[in-house]
Amino acid sequence: GAVVSQHPSRVICKSGTSVKIECRSLDFQATTMFWYRQFPKQSLMLMATSNEGSKATYEQGVEKDKFLINHASLTLSTLTVTSAHPEDSSFYICSARSSGVTGELFFGEGSRLTVL
Amino acid sequence: QKEVEQNSGPLSVPEGAIASLNCTYSDRGSQSFFWYRQYSGKSPELIMFIYSNGDKEDGRFTAQLNKASQYVSLLIRDSQPSDSATYLCAAGSSSNTGKLIFGQGTTLQVKP
Repeated sequence: GAVVSQHPSRVICKSGTSVKIECRSLDFQATTMFWYRQFPKQSLMLMATSNEGSKATYEQGVEKDKFLINHASLTLSTLTVTSAHPEDSSFYICSARSSGVTGELFFGEGSRLTVL
Repeated sequence: QKEVEQNSGPLSVPEGAIASLNCTYSDRGSQSFFWYRQYSGKSPELIMFIYSNGDKEDGRFTAQLNKASQYVSLLIRDSQPSDSATYLCAAGSSSNTGKLIFGQGTTLQVKP
């Protein structure tokens, strides 16, 4: 069964609204989770590293005020896309390591965001 | 910019043949390498990981790593139509933060 769960799997929203995506580790505690974005026929691009109890670390070119990440507990990280626009439509995927930096990396099921 | 490069394909092989997928990486400090399979519209799933030079076999899959050449490959023996997917190569960041750098993926088509 899935050890990392994402919700919602699909979301459609109007331009200008905000959308929250949740990522939960089910069988383990994850001090670090990763958020990726994948456009059609392209690879996964790391957006940010979510650290429990501290600020997320964003990759170059990713707007931290637009993509708000909160990692309030060892099993939950959330990504909020604020003031979404059609160009934000993408497949958002979270991942978490089972232990430390050498543990297996598990991916959530992904969340497909469509902004109208 | 640390990069992982893959041929996007598609790579087409007949059922039962060996599929060979290749990947190069630029970060010489990377120590861990992963192959993920991704079906259309789904999240990636781990196929294999490899840390040491040489070959690592798991069932029909063999991963090969050559750190001197900064080259990773995945061989799939007795390819099946169900193996048709995009295969993503990933390298662990040398900064040891747990981040993975992904290649653009190679699309494999196994024809019956």
